[in-house]
Amino acid sequence: SSELTQDPAVSVALGQTVRITCQGDSLRSFYASWYQQKPGQAPVLVMYGKNNRPSGIPDRFSGSSSGNTASLTITGSQAEDEADYYCNSRDSSGNLLVFGGGTKLTVL
Amino acid sequence: QVQLQESGPGLVKPSQTLSLTCTVSGGSISSDSYYWSWIRQPAGKGLEWIGRIYTSSTNYNPSLKSRVTISVDTSKNQFSLKLSSVTAADTAVYYCARVITVTTSWYMDVWGKGTTVTVSS
Repeated sequence: SSELTQDPAVSVALGQTVRITCQGDSLRSFYASWYQQKPGQAPVLVMYGKNNRPSGIPDRFSGSSSGNTASLTITGSQAEDEADYYCNSRDSSGNLLVFGGGTKLTVL
Repeated sequence: QVQLQESGPGLVKPSQTLSLTCTVSGGSISSDSYYWSWIRQPAGKGLEWIGRIYTSSTNYNPSLKSRVTISVDTSKNQFSLKLSSVTAADTAVYYCARVITVTTSWYMDVWGKGTTVTVSS
């Protein structure tokens, strides 16, 4: 399968921990990358590989993977984390890229 | 610091060809460390990967493959997208991005700001 599945919406209380998940067969072979997108802005890479944060991304963001599921965890959510989050990975053939449908994170 | 900038017409007529260019600054498009990719996002919807180019080798989203061509102009440090026979469904914000490839992970570390293309007569 070349599809990645995400929950459409997730909410978290300010300061609490939230896990955003991404499921797909290709995740058994390849790591996901994660992108944060705020309204009117381009996506920003927040996690890649096994658990790697680009420079400038707060350490409250972490990544993990198990079987066909990749997860992005935000520990101690902040108001500025409210955004859409997209996972992305190579497809099962390894030659193409595919995005998940995105998860809208609301920080309450 | 590498930056990407999309450019091209903001309005395209139905059945015509959409043409966009991504200019790479602060680094060489000829580097064999990177792929270069196009992604689009219709208003209010999710991201859709269009395709990528590495030197002259390309791969495209199967759903768009028959209409898409991505090419690179190393002399101008640019890569381009052509999408033929456009319809209103091709109206979207189009992004270009740099792709880093590692054996088990490809990821897009630098993105352009995006350019809006509307298909309308």
